[in-house]
Amino acid sequence: NAGVTQTPKFRILKIGQSMTLQCTQDMNHNYMYWYRQDPGMGLKLIYYSVGAGITDKGEVPNGYNVSRSTTEDFPLRLELAAPSQTSVYFCASRSTGDRYNEQFFGPGTRLTVL
Amino acid sequence: GQQVMQIPQYQHVQEGEDFTTYCNSSTTLSNIQWYKQRPGGHPVFLIQLVKSGEVKKQKRLTFQFGEAKKNSSLHITATQTTDVGTYFCAGWSSGANSKLTFGKGITLSVRP
Repeated sequence: NAGVTQTPKFRILKIGQSMTLQCTQDMNHNYMYWYRQDPGMGLKLIYYSVGAGITDKGEVPNGYNVSRSTTEDFPLRLELAAPSQTSVYFCASRSTGDRYNEQFFGPGTRLTVL
Repeated sequence: GQQVMQIPQYQHVQEGEDFTTYCNSSTTLSNIQWYKQRPGGHPVFLIQLVKSGEVKKQKRLTFQFGEAKKNSSLHITATQTTDVGTYFCAGWSSGANSKLTFGKGITLSVRP
């Protein structure tokens, strides 16, 4: 199993550009999450999904959109990039066998908006 | 809303010293998880505590969940350079709309 994979690893965007961060998991997990991590600020939840076709906002959803058409994929869309979106983005997944199962994180995407 | 606090954010120790860090929640938790993130890496699950007063050990790491299920501690015995990284606690709130909240983490550096 590859676990959770994310692409790209690094990206530099100009203000106003758009991009999609890709996230795929091969563990058949229903729950998937997007976090952003800023230095010294821990992990902030952007969006999450409890299954294909179902998504919901987290703590910091503004400026982002998500979709979940399959169990495996959970892309994160930035429509109009702003410098405040410079961050490291982590995708994570977990199973529903035990409600409080561990989250498996992807390697992250390091995004800079200039 | 629920807050999970980890103070301080940074700690430096000499290799071989013991290290203890704490995690405090503003609300009672259903359970608490600990993750470790190596520099430049991603968070990796270490352990989950569910019961009041629960203690779990992983080699030199000892984790404890408070009796009131509002705090937790991580103790590392005889730190090694491989212990370097950021340790996050994350607490699941109780109730129907349970959610996981991460603390800001504590970054541990170990002087050889």
